Amino acid sequence: KAGVTQTPRYLIKTRGQQVTLSCSPISGHRSVSWYQQTPGQGLQFLFEYFSETQRNKGNFPGRFSGRQFSNSRSEMNVSTLELGDSALYLCASSPGATVGYGYTFGSGTRLTVV
Amino acid sequence: GENVEQHPSTLSVQEGDSAVIKCTYSDSASNYFPWYKQELGKRPQLIIDIRSNVGEKKDQRIAVTLNKTAKHFSLHITETQPEDSAVYFCAASIKSYNTDKLIFGTGTRLQVFP
Repeated sequence: KAGVTQTPRYLIKTRGQQVTLSCSPISGHRSVSWYQQTPGQGLQFLFEYFSETQRNKGNFPGRFSGRQFSNSRSEMNVSTLELGDSALYLCASSPGATVGYGYTFGSGTRLTVV
Repeated sequence: GENVEQHPSTLSVQEGDSAVIKCTYSDSASNYFPWYKQELGKRPQLIIDIRSNVGEKKDQRIAVTLNKTAKHFSLHITETQPEDSAVYFCAASIKSYNTDKLIFGTGTRLQVFP
């Protein structure tokens, strides 16, 4: 059974550009959550999608957006990149409609903004 | 509130000793509390979780305790081994937008010295 796949693994972008990250959840999992991980800040919740609908969101500016497709794959987009957006972006998939089923994380996309 | 506080931020122990990591949460409606281990350069992995209807759960050398009245939960690792060295994150389910999301603590870097 394939795990959670995130692409690309590494990205270097320039300030002001935009970026799209992809996450393919475990087959059969319908929930995908996105987190930003930075040293000292831990994992900050971005948003969660379930059956193509954004069910929950964190306290990030509108430059951060996402979507989920009918096959449960999810993308997140960051527009007008800032230096502070440099981080490891992790997605996690879950089989159930609630968080109590446990998350399986992908390996993440490391974004560097220069 | 959406706070999960985690202490200590770093913890060094001798091999064979016990390690305890503590977390507090603010939402009295939280009902799911997982713990994740993240080794250097790897994805976070679920190691144990507990639900609000249980006060303690054990799995070999690790255990988690929950005090709902005080809104805190702890991870206990006994007979620590060098391979236990990693960053550990606690998390709590938080009700938001009529559904749940997982909010993580800021992590504890555990170092086990041989």
